[in-house]
Amino acid sequence: GAGVSQSPRYKVAKRGQDVALRCDPISGHVSLFWYQQALGQGPEFLTYFQNEAQLDKSGLPSDRFFAERPEGSVSTLKIQRTQQEDSAVYLCASSLASVPGNTIYFGEGSWLTVV
Amino acid sequence: GESVGLHLPTLSVQEGDNSIINCAYSNSASDYFIWYKQESGKGPQFIIDIRSNMDKRQGQRVTVLLNKTVKHLSLQIAATQPGDSAVYFCAEMVFPSGTYKYIFGTGTRLKVLA
Repeated sequence: GAGVSQSPRYKVAKRGQDVALRCDPISGHVSLFWYQQALGQGPEFLTYFQNEAQLDKSGLPSDRFFAERPEGSVSTLKIQRTQQEDSAVYLCASSLASVPGNTIYFGEGSWLTVV
Repeated sequence: GESVGLHLPTLSVQEGDNSIINCAYSNSASDYFIWYKQESGKGPQFIIDIRSNMDKRQGQRVTVLLNKTVKHLSLQIAATQPGDSAVYFCAEMVFPSGTYKYIFGTGTRLKVLA
């Protein structure tokens, strides 16, 4: 596609429910990032993939958060047993190359509300 | 720890005036910075970037200035328009343990007054 595509755009989950958020990066982009953005805050880094390899997952807030990119393209961020503090916008971004300095392009985000 | 922060959470400017948004960073080893614009309900949109070997870079109506001595970054928007109203973030590229990521500040909301 022309840009980074994320789905669902909006998700309301009951506390304790599992959710899966999908990211379809720009075709051919090697690098893929997931960020979490709370209301009124800047994006916070969650995890980074280079192709299918998850090179950095230091930002994942707990073991309830899991991300994968099995074929080096589409990525899924899974949150198990959601809690209210998980309510945020989850942003996916991709970059053409793994060379630092390449522009990263963001999707519109998946808005998660846990009730 | 490593962080990027902004001095002013909200900036109001008259339409047609110039806007200056400031950002301080703490990692002196960082060599790449980006400014993003985020409109309500949308993802961050790339505006302009700068590498640490430069002091200034200009785009269309925007200029980024980098002062490595005091670890300060600014975004200047010329002839601010209503469409410039948004939240602006600076981001700093860091290199933890053989990989890289971008650290974002908390953002400045720019309000353009008619």
